[in-house]
Formats: sequence, C-alpha cells, structure tokens
Amino acid sequence: EVQLVESGGVLVKPGGSLRVSCTASGFTFTNAWMSWVRQAPGKGLEWVGRIKSKTDDGTADYAAPVKGRFTVSRDDSKNTLYLQMNSLKTEDTAVYYCSTVSRYCSGAACYYYMDVWGTGTTVTVSS
Amino acid sequence: AIQMTQSPSSLSASVGDRVTITCRASQGIRNDLGWYQQKPGKAPKVLIYAASRLQTGVPSRFSGSGSGTDFTLTISSLQPEDFATYYCLQDYSYPWTFGQGTKVEIK
Repeated sequence: EVQLVESGGVLVKPGGSLRVSCTASGFTFTNAWMSWVRQAPGKGLEWVGRIKSKTDDGTADYAAPVKGRFTVSRDDSKNTLYLQMNSLKTEDTAVYYCSTVSRYCSGAACYYYMDVWGTGTTVTVSS
Repeated sequence: AIQMTQSPSSLSASVGDRVTITCRASQGIRNDLGWYQQKPGKAPKVLIYAASRLQTGVPSRFSGSGSGTDFTLTISSLQPEDFATYYCLQDYSYPWTFGQGTKVEIK
C-alpha cells in the first residue's frame, strides 16, 4: 500500500525553527518527485514547495511566502522527505501535507499533479 | 505568480443536480490545470489533471474542460459524497498556485 506519514508538527515560538518529516512506503521513493502543501486554520490550500528526484537533478522550487526561510530536502536512503522551516511566523501556522507528484506527458507537454497525500502534521507558531 | 480565481466561492445544490465550478488564470496556462476535492479534516484528493484527464478511480460524473485561462469542473449528477470543497491548481509555472476554493453544500 502506498503511504505517506508526516511527523514533527509542534508548537513553536515566532522566530523559531522546526523540521517536519514525511516517511514514504509502498513505492520507489528514489524516483518520486515530492511536494509540500499547507492549510491554515479555516483557509484554503497553499502550495509550499516541490523537490525533484535526484535523477532529475534534485532541485526544489518554493512559494514566495516561504522562499529563503523554508528548505525542502530528501533522504532517499530513509525514504523520507523533510521540510526545514526557519524564521517562523504566526502566519505559518497550518496543517502541512506531503504528497507525491506524478507526471503525465503527451507529446512534448508534461503535466503534474499531486496524487498520494499524507494525513498532515500540525505546526502552530505562537508565543 | 499566476493568480487563480475560482467562482463561486460557495454553492448550495441538491442531490442529482448538475454543478459547474469555474477557474480563471491571470495568464494563459495552456491546459496545465488540476482539480482537487477536500472533505473536512481530510487530505485533498486529485480528481482531474491536464485540465480534462480523469484520475484513476474517480467517478465519471466528474469532468473537466478548458484551456488557456478559463477552466470548468462539472459534476453531472451530484451525489451525497460529493459535498466538499473543490480547488483548482495550476502547474504551468512555479510557484504552483491554488484557487481559493469552492464549497459545495447541501441545499
């Protein structure tokens, strides 16, 4: 069974740091592109960032509100995705979901979608 | 960043109704668009990708259309399990961006 399990969400003070994890099972993690999406209480979904597989250069892209503060990384030997969050702000309070990113290509065009999701981990930034 | 605007933000409908949700991009995104369903307290679920391709296992009453800047998600006959919030997401360029969501409620 394909499964993603997030962990590490806690209460942290503004300005603090936190790393949350996402452990994968049931598929070849090494080949997967992965993403983080968050949802503040009572709000909509916000894409946070995505990391490619190492065979596809392993680079990451980020949403503007987190760029320079958050880092997405992966440890393929542990089938684990990470989100390192620094300089946390109260507006970073959210449920953080990890997901796989699948790709569908037709001709020269490729399309991406997030198809397997974890259950989320809650990060609360408050003094 | 590309802005995605969904409408309506909420709607009330009855079981069996045909429901249409629209999503407009602030610039052309070819057909690089997906639709996601989210129920309270649960992770999102992909319904449609590449604007019109139905994800495996998703009922055929869901369909997507559009290209460029204007997109539509249609539920042909609303079922009780379809009451949820729906989001569009553009994957044309980074940063990927979601629409603000459309909550489908029971009339």
